[in-house]
Amino acid sequence: GESVGLHLPTLSVQEGDNSIINCAYSNSASDYFIWYKQESGKGPQFIIDIRSNMDKRQGQRVTVLLNKTVKHLSLQIAATQPGDSAVYFCAEFPNQAGTALIFGKGTTLSVSS
Amino acid sequence: KAGVTQTPRYLIKTRGQQVTLSCSPISGHRSVSWYQQTPGQGLQFLFEYFSETQRNKGNFPGRFSGRQFSNSRSEMNVSTLELGDSALYLCASSLGQGSGNIQYFGAGTRLSVL
Repeated sequence: GESVGLHLPTLSVQEGDNSIINCAYSNSASDYFIWYKQESGKGPQFIIDIRSNMDKRQGQRVTVLLNKTVKHLSLQIAATQPGDSAVYFCAEFPNQAGTALIFGKGTTLSVSS
Repeated sequence: KAGVTQTPRYLIKTRGQQVTLSCSPISGHRSVSWYQQTPGQGLQFLFEYFSETQRNKGNFPGRFSGRQFSNSRSEMNVSTLELGDSALYLCASSLGQGSGNIQYFGAGTRLSVL
């Protein structure tokens, strides 16, 4: 079936380290991907997106990599800060009629100072 | 520009009751999607409205329904509440419909069914 999954449910890093959060998707028809950050008591917050015609996109301190060959996404956070502690979700959008954004289970990032 | 606003933030209901949740999208956004978030199932798509029409529906029973008004505001209704309906209900708005449109989320409505 269609699903988006994350390799690790939790990730613990030290402040200042670079973090890499991974995600595998299963639908080869997906052509749009989004990373969200969700802090406790809040809704998911948009971080960065990427279309399937790209393999890399950079934002402020974040980079998303897309490997369509192995259907893999990653989110890299540079110089991780305590404020980055949250649950991170990847989401895919299959380019098929009647489909919607499909979310993975999420990775909890804990940053210790 | 104001973000997506959901009301109320918290609700406590009992089994068998019904509930209506409200969502005001970002100004100019015409698409509104609803999601249910639980610890066990994660974020699951409920339905999407665009131009007052339901364009897409997830795999939820008919007790879950929604509508969208001409000003793009949306409501969702859950009838005959069950304990398993306890969840965070999230609304997201986007400029347009479909792939390529960033969905921006509200803070959610926390529903507890006793």
